[in-house]
Formats: sequence, structure tokens, C-alpha cells
Amino acid sequence: QKEVEQNSGPLSVPEGAIASLNCTYSDRGSQSFFWYRQYSGKSPELIMFIYSNGDKEDGRFTAQLNKASQYVSLLIRDSQPSDSATYLCAVNPTGNQFYFGTGTSLTVIP
Amino acid sequence: KAGVTQTPRYLIKTRGQQVTLSCSPISGHRSVSWYQQTPGQGLQFLFEYFSETQRNKGNFPGRFSGRQFSNSRSEMNVSTLELGDSALYLCASCRQDMNTEAFFGQGTRLTVV
Repeated sequence: QKEVEQNSGPLSVPEGAIASLNCTYSDRGSQSFFWYRQYSGKSPELIMFIYSNGDKEDGRFTAQLNKASQYVSLLIRDSQPSDSATYLCAVNPTGNQFYFGTGTSLTVIP
Repeated sequence: KAGVTQTPRYLIKTRGQQVTLSCSPISGHRSVSWYQQTPGQGLQFLFEYFSETQRNKGNFPGRFSGRQFSNSRSEMNVSTLELGDSALYLCASCRQDMNTEAFFGQGTRLTVV
């Protein structure tokens, strides 16, 4: 079993719609959770992090964490074509070691 | 504020050679970690350094090694290169010693022929 699992997609949504990205993790001791966006040929860039159960909003992005279910999600509201990228879920079990999912490819259709 | 700087950006090496990659973290960040990214395996953790000490190591063979200097700059070395080592190598820097966000450099694209 992989430490972090994501649906690889591809996920396609029309412009203006809500994109929902999901992630599950196996290490119950994990304390911090991150979402990164990676454009083709570029390095990952941090979108959001979340430490506590519940929702955390930042602009058009909302991260949701449910530690009991070992589940993290990212909602992107009013999706734009520029949001088209691969979204990586990362879990930090110890120190600054991160386990990454294989990513979900998102395409926003104009 | 400068970001994470990795050099070189691109490398082509022959099987059996060795290679050294360099990473300069964001000023003030003391933690540096390294990742290998391939299309099939995604981002895989290699090792992490904090204050010149290797704290965590991923599941890679001993051919992969690294070190961190007193100015927090880090190097990773891969000896006896194999074709399968072709990948994007990413360095990430963190501000604190744990539970903090990682900021990535642009990566070094290594091709082994």
C-alpha cells in the first residue's frame, strides 16, 4: 500500500466549475498535509497546507482534512484554464520528509 | 527574497559515471530535502538534511548520497550511474525543523545515456 494515494485522473471540468481533488494517506501519525500544483516541465509550487481537521480556505481554494478517515481534499472554485496542471498531495509524517501522491491531472476546458 | 537554486539545470552523463548536484536553499532555511521525480514513480523522497545532519533517508541504494554544509547548501551525489537514474531531481527547502511547508527549486534534469 502506498503512503499517499490519489486518483490520477485525468479530471476535466468546464471553466467556472468546481474541481474536486482527493487524497488518502496511510500513516495515522501524520501531522501536516500539503497541496502542490505542478505545471508540465516545472517544479511543484505550494498551494495550501492544512494541519487541523476541517476546512481551510484561501481565495478560490479550499483544503479539507479528515484525520479519522485519513482523507484530504482540495476544492478549486471558479476553475480557470490556468488551473490546468497536475495537483500533488503531500503528507509530512516526520521532520521535513514528505510523501507525495502520484498526482491528479486537471484540465479546465474554456 | 531569492528562491531555491539548483545547479546545473540539465546534465547528460554516461552510464557508470558519477554526478554531483547542488542546491542552495532559501536564505534562513536550514532544512534541505531531495526528491527524484520520474513519470512512472512520481516524486520519491531521497534524503533530508537539517543543520548538516542527515535526519531521514528514503529507500534508495547507497549509490545515492548527500551532504549539507554549514551555510545550509546541499549536494547530492550519484555514483555508478544507471539508465534508470534518468529523472528530474528536485531540492526542497524548509524554514523550520518539522511540520512546515517545503519550497522547491527548478530541479536538475539528469539524463543517463
